[in-house]
Amino acid sequence: DIQMTQSPSSLSASVGDRVTITCQASQDINNYLNWYQQRPGKAPKLLIYDASNLKIGVPSRFSGSGSGTDFTFTISGLQPEDVATYYCQQYDNLPPSITFGQGTRLEIK
Amino acid sequence: QVHLVQSGAEVKKPGASVKVSCKVAGHTLTELIMHWVRQAPGKGLEWMGGFDPEDGETNSPQKFQGRVIMAADTSTGTAYMELSSLRSEDTAVYYCATTTVVASYYYMDVWGEGTPVTVSS
Repeated sequence: DIQMTQSPSSLSASVGDRVTITCQASQDINNYLNWYQQRPGKAPKLLIYDASNLKIGVPSRFSGSGSGTDFTFTISGLQPEDVATYYCQQYDNLPPSITFGQGTRLEIK
Repeated sequence: QVHLVQSGAEVKKPGASVKVSCKVAGHTLTELIMHWVRQAPGKGLEWMGGFDPEDGETNSPQKFQGRVIMAADTSTGTAYMELSSLRSEDTAVYYCATTTVVASYYYMDVWGEGTPVTVSS
């Protein structure tokens, strides 16, 4: 099974800061990597798919990059409404499987 | 626009089973892969498996094999997830989730509201 290691587990930043979260796969997953935002008490929301594609309607301050085993999620210009937990998620179809990273809780200083 | 409407909260005793439903509105169930994801209190997201209503195939991590059954009633557009031999560690919010982009294991951009399940004696 593919394991996803996400870091940090939590972080605190100021409004306007650039925030970076990383996700490492235990084996090459090409670009089969998605990023989600989950606000407290809500279902997750897809932000980035296939490592770097911004979902329609998602603010452009969110971005993703990477391929193979190492991936990065960035918020450029942190906003108060970005307080949430962020998850990476890998997928495969041969055989079908999905794995989430452990999550990163983001707070405002 | 597709919506997923889940059944209500459940309280179960250890050893019992729970069945959560997820009704699809605005799309044909057989054109989707329905995923089930759970989240224990204060914990992260855990994928329980995916179900293809068109051929009845379930794919799930070894952790849940033998304890989870995924099914669907295509006549009503409703997917189901049944978890048996419940223990306290199964206390969680259970989500159904899918995408209409393609019927494969990809991303999940449509989520139900979640069904809280509490396992307690």
